Amino acid sequence: DTGVSQDPRHKITKRGQNVTFRCDPISEHNRLYWYRQTLGQGPEFLTYFQNEAQLEKSRLLSDRFSAERPKGSFSTLEIQRTEQGDSAMYLCASTPTDIQETQYFGPGTRLLVL
Amino acid sequence: GDSVTQMEGPVTLSEEAFLTINCTYTATGYPSLFWYVQYPGEGLQLLLKATKADDKGSNKGFEATYRKETTSFHLEKGSVQVSDSAVYFCALRRSNAGKSTFGDGTTLTVKP
Repeated sequence: DTGVSQDPRHKITKRGQNVTFRCDPISEHNRLYWYRQTLGQGPEFLTYFQNEAQLEKSRLLSDRFSAERPKGSFSTLEIQRTEQGDSAMYLCASTPTDIQETQYFGPGTRLLVL
Repeated sequence: GDSVTQMEGPVTLSEEAFLTINCTYTATGYPSLFWYVQYPGEGLQLLLKATKADDKGSNKGFEATYRKETTSFHLEKGSVQVSDSAVYFCALRRSNAGKSTFGDGTTLTVKP
């Protein structure tokens, strides 16, 4: 069990640029979640997948955000035309299918939009 | 909608002091309740959980009891250490929803 990994750990970009983050869940975990955490706040839900199916999207996920999990393993989160308000920590978590199970979080990707 | 309210921080204690961090929630049904801890520069780690009313979660000297009548899940530790300094998040998950709802976190600093 190598844990949830995220790449990159840090990203600095200029406003208007596109960025893509990757999350590798724990092996054999069917569910994968994305959250956003801003300074002084708790994580806010963005979206989640069961295998390759995206089952729920938050209203926080504007049209500039897109997430994929094409083969039901790793996932990517892309932000197009970044804005300064997108600066945050983006967290990924995974669980086995049973929704009572614990969510295991990755270390996060910290995004700074200049 | 679901919500979690934590006591405002930051909290500063001396080593070996007693810790309580209050957490109350609003949710339909019977959610599972969690406490997560986040150390500087790291992701969230599960500290403890309780899945039904009157359950007590415990780990590393921390405890919290699921109180449905008061919709609370307060975190306690009898004697804190400097190494307990971190941000603590209370969270809930409803049985028919995969996502978790988090409080805003409480920063704990323990001084020697």
